[in-house]
This record gives sequence, C-alpha cells and structure tokens, in this order.
Amino acid sequence: KQEVTQIPAALSVPEGENLVLNCSFTDSAIYNLQWFRQDPGKGLTSLLLIQSSQREQTSGRLNASLDKSSGRSTLYIAASQPGDSATYLCAAGAGGSEKLVFGKGTKLTVNP
Amino acid sequence: NAGVTQTPKFQVLKTGQSMTLQCAQDMNHEYMSWYRQDPGMGLRLIHYSVGAGITDQGEVPNGYNVSRSTTEDFPLRLLSAAPSQTSVYFCASSLGPKAFFGQGTRLTVV
Repeated sequence: KQEVTQIPAALSVPEGENLVLNCSFTDSAIYNLQWFRQDPGKGLTSLLLIQSSQREQTSGRLNASLDKSSGRSTLYIAASQPGDSATYLCAAGAGGSEKLVFGKGTKLTVNP
Repeated sequence: NAGVTQTPKFQVLKTGQSMTLQCAQDMNHEYMSWYRQDPGMGLRLIHYSVGAGITDQGEVPNGYNVSRSTTEDFPLRLLSAAPSQTSVYFCASSLGPKAFFGQGTRLTVV
C-alpha cells in the first residue's frame, strides 16, 4: 500500500527566504506526483504535476523534483512571500494516474 | 468557468440522519472522486468513478454510497450519519492526472 509522508509538518520562515518542502513515498511505481496548495477553509489548487518519466517541473518561483529511485520529491520555493502562506500537500498517483494518495501536508507560514 | 461545485458548504446532522452531498463539474471530465479530510490524517479516497454508470470503492468507503448517472454529477450519500463521519469532504474531477477540487463541504454529525 502506497504511503506518502511530508516533513516538516509545519515551517515558519522570514519573507525572502528560499525553502524546500519534502515528500517521500514508499512505492516507487507511481504514475505521477503532484503538489497542491490549500488555503484555510478552501479547496486544493494544483501547483505542479510531475509525470513518472519526468525529473522536475517549474512554474514561476516554484520548482518540484522527483526521484523515483529514492522515493522522494521536493518543492522548492524561491524568494518566499507572505502570500505563500498555506498548507502544501503532495500526492502520488497510484493504482492509476487519477487515484491520488496524499501526504498530511506541510503548513507554511511566511512572516513579513 | 464554474469548475467543480459542491453543495452545501456547511451542514450539521444528527446521528442517524441521512443526506446527500452534491458535486457537479462542467469540464466534461470522465473521472470524479470523493475524499474526506480529517486533522492529522490527510485526504483519503472514499469512492471514485471513471465514467457515467461506473463507480468503485476507495480507501474508506464504509457508510457512504455513490452513483454516477451523468458525466456532470457525482453525489455522495450518507445513509445513516455517525459522529465518525464528521469531516471535510472534497469532490474532485480529473483530466488525466491533473485534478480539480471543489471548495469542500464541512459536515458535523452530533
């Protein structure tokens, strides 16, 4: 059974800092790896999707990498801003590209 | 574009009552799913559907029923609510691996 773990559970940084969020998964036979953002009381917004054949994806200040052999993905946020404060969830596509197994998330606070 | 719409946003039920959480999408996606999100547990898959007339169980299906009569709608039914079903429920539709989520329904069972 696929299990997804995110470390740390919470992170507080000063504005402008570069930071890395970590995600690990137990079964390397994944279809894809997605990173989502969730604001309080809101739904999930997809940030980056990495297919199993890819190593990384970039969108603006965000860069996500995937290493299937080690069972790890990282989300790098450059020059963090207070507006980046949210919970970040990673999810592995397992048992089909649409069936997602989620980690518990990392709650990020960026202080002005 | 509306995307994925869930109703209601909030609901309080008494133990034993039944209700249906509604989910509609206007993107013509074949795949739809329901998740529940609990503190410290992350999101867990309840049921999913790969197209009209086809549904299957996810990780935590007990106490929930689904049906998919149209591509657009995927309602989640609680037949006899229990306090353990207090949670935030999210509906999602997918285009291949890219998932689009609704805003969620916060359900409290007392």
